[in-house]
Amino acid sequence: QVQLQESGPGLVKPSETLSLTCNVSTGSIRNYWWGWIRLPPGKGLEWIGSIYSSGNTNYNPSLKSRVTISLDISRNQFSLKLISVTAVDTAVYYCARGFYGTHFDYWGQGSLVTVSS
Amino acid sequence: DIQMTQSPSSLSASVGDTITITCQASQDINIFLNWYQLKPGKAPKLLIYDVSSLETGVPSRFSGSGSGTHFSFTISSLQPEDFATYSCQQYYNVPYTFGLGTKVEIK
Repeated sequence: QVQLQESGPGLVKPSETLSLTCNVSTGSIRNYWWGWIRLPPGKGLEWIGSIYSSGNTNYNPSLKSRVTISLDISRNQFSLKLISVTAVDTAVYYCARGFYGTHFDYWGQGSLVTVSS
Repeated sequence: DIQMTQSPSSLSASVGDTITITCQASQDINIFLNWYQLKPGKAPKLLIYDVSSLETGVPSRFSGSGSGTHFSFTISSLQPEDFATYSCQQYYNVPYTFGLGTKVEIK
């Protein structure tokens, strides 16, 4: 059973950078897509972007100018950086495994990130 | 972007009821549609992929159907643990998009 766990600050100031890491345990990061999805309060899920174990990335065009997803195969981790955050970036952020770019079959429990001064 | 219109946004039902949620895509997405269950503080759970394929370990009371632009998701004989929010997702193209969710509450 693949397990994912998000970690990072729960509070980020406006205009600063949101940084989260997803640790993947009980399974290799190789040969899969890995994604970030967020759930803003009162709204639906929003796909942020995904990265393949080769390093290829896909980003949501609505966030592409502010997002970077990277991975560290040696640590079995992948990370999210979102720059210049505002209050609308407040959300629960989930990391997930993408099954060959189709469905997300394993998810983390989510990390609430609040953007506030 | 492909818009996913999910309805209803919420519903009340009793244990043992059968409920159906629908999801309409703004363009033809073939069968590239998944359904997830969301509960606060828990990892979202994949229930159904490719419209009607049940993820391993998911009870058979969950089912899905449809193709093209109209899809449905049914829970037969609701159980107490099924009260949650359900969301559809298309992966026909990037950006992947989700419906706004349907909250299933206890009547």
